[in-house]
Amino acid sequence: GAVVSQHPSWVICKSGTSVKIECRSLDFQATTMFWYRQFPKQSLMLMATSNEGSKATYEQGVEKDKFLINHASLTLSTLTVTSAHPEDSSFYICSARDGRSYEQYFGPGTRLTVT
Amino acid sequence: AQTVTQSQPEMSVQEAETVTLSCTYDTSESDYYLFWYKQPPSRQMILVIRQEAYKQQNATENRFSVNFQKAAKSFSLKISDSQLGDAAMYFCAYSLRTNAGKSTFGDGTTLTVKP
Repeated sequence: GAVVSQHPSWVICKSGTSVKIECRSLDFQATTMFWYRQFPKQSLMLMATSNEGSKATYEQGVEKDKFLINHASLTLSTLTVTSAHPEDSSFYICSARDGRSYEQYFGPGTRLTVT
Repeated sequence: AQTVTQSQPEMSVQEAETVTLSCTYDTSESDYYLFWYKQPPSRQMILVIRQEAYKQQNATENRFSVNFQKAAKSFSLKISDSQLGDAAMYFCAYSLRTNAGKSTFGDGTTLTVKP
């Protein structure tokens, strides 16, 4: 099946710094990618939808200036957490929608720890 | 807004037995998908089964089957011949067909399989 990769799988950063998470569709073109956030033992919460070549659409309550999303190509979307704080520590999961089949595939997730 | 409710935070089943996980949802739309995802300790989201709302026939995938009651907005997952590897968190999810991938998730059910 189709594969979505995320990099890094785990990152530790200091408070006030920025960190970038990459999401790649490896063998298909993803016209749309989604970014989710998950706290331990909780559900996935949609943060934003990103479409290739256009601005991301953020869900209500998600700070667009804090969580910068760029969908530069049909295989790559990035999430940058700017000026990270300990409360941003979480598990971030991306998913990609195949532009042809409309199937959705999830990445393995990135654990962010802000100290 | 669409909502997905999983009323069982935790369930347990004896190995080789059958267990049913419950899910209800609320929507005013008629064309949508419903999903069950498995999230093992690795936290990689794995699609278990998918149901298109326009299909009356319940989806099945090997030991996994659903009971889709569209009028009642109910979508339960039955796992037959439970195996130790089935232990995981299970999420029920909803997605509009026109915006496939932008999913609303339930809070999840943690399934324990006892040997």
